[in-house]
Amino acid sequence: AQSVAQPEDQVNVAEGNPLTVKCTYSVSGNPYLFWYVQYPNRGLQFLLKYITGDNLVKGSYGFEAEFNKSQTSFHLKKPSALVSDSALYFCAVRDIPSEAGTALIFGKGTTLSVSS
Amino acid sequence: GAVVSQHPSWVICKSGTSVKIECRSLDFQATTMFWYRQFPKQSLMLMATSNEGSKATYEQGVEKDKFLINHASLTLSTLTVTSAHPEDSSFYICSARDSSLSWGREASQPQHFGDGTRLSIL
Repeated sequence: AQSVAQPEDQVNVAEGNPLTVKCTYSVSGNPYLFWYVQYPNRGLQFLLKYITGDNLVKGSYGFEAEFNKSQTSFHLKKPSALVSDSALYFCAVRDIPSEAGTALIFGKGTTLSVSS
Repeated sequence: GAVVSQHPSWVICKSGTSVKIECRSLDFQATTMFWYRQFPKQSLMLMATSNEGSKATYEQGVEKDKFLINHASLTLSTLTVTSAHPEDSSFYICSARDSSLSWGREASQPQHFGDGTRLSIL
């Protein structure tokens, strides 16, 4: 079965510093990988995805992620953190990507806290 | 962009009542929608996959008779929590993808999420 792991429950960074939120995956075939952000009492907002192509994927709000096949990782990054980036971040993998209609499987989430 | 509307956003009700949550895709069609449940500071757990015009597919451990799902049209899925009890209190989130795309494109599309429903059973 497909799965993703987010090893950190919380990441703390100072505003203006680079941030990294880690994600590793386990899939049987080619992974379809996604990052989402969730603000309190809200649904999830899509940030970026990796399907194929360039390993460095750029997304919304200045975020980017690097796909590393050898390390089975898809870490989320941002060069300069903002206080408004503080939220809950989820990495997700598409289960059985060759089949339409199947749901995303989520990691446990990482709380990002950016201090001013 | 694709919008998923979920209603209501917050429900407080007495134990034993049934609660219906609606999930609508506003600007795209969705033959498949997904219902997730989220506990505080935890991840989203897939409850069931809602299929337009047919029965929903439930994940292991989810009670079908407890969580009734109806997907009557290409833009609307409903989740009814029957005879709700305090342990059913949670944050419920629906999600959908644009099914008008070819299956290859559909598979690579992100899921669009509603804003969730906070259910509190007293």
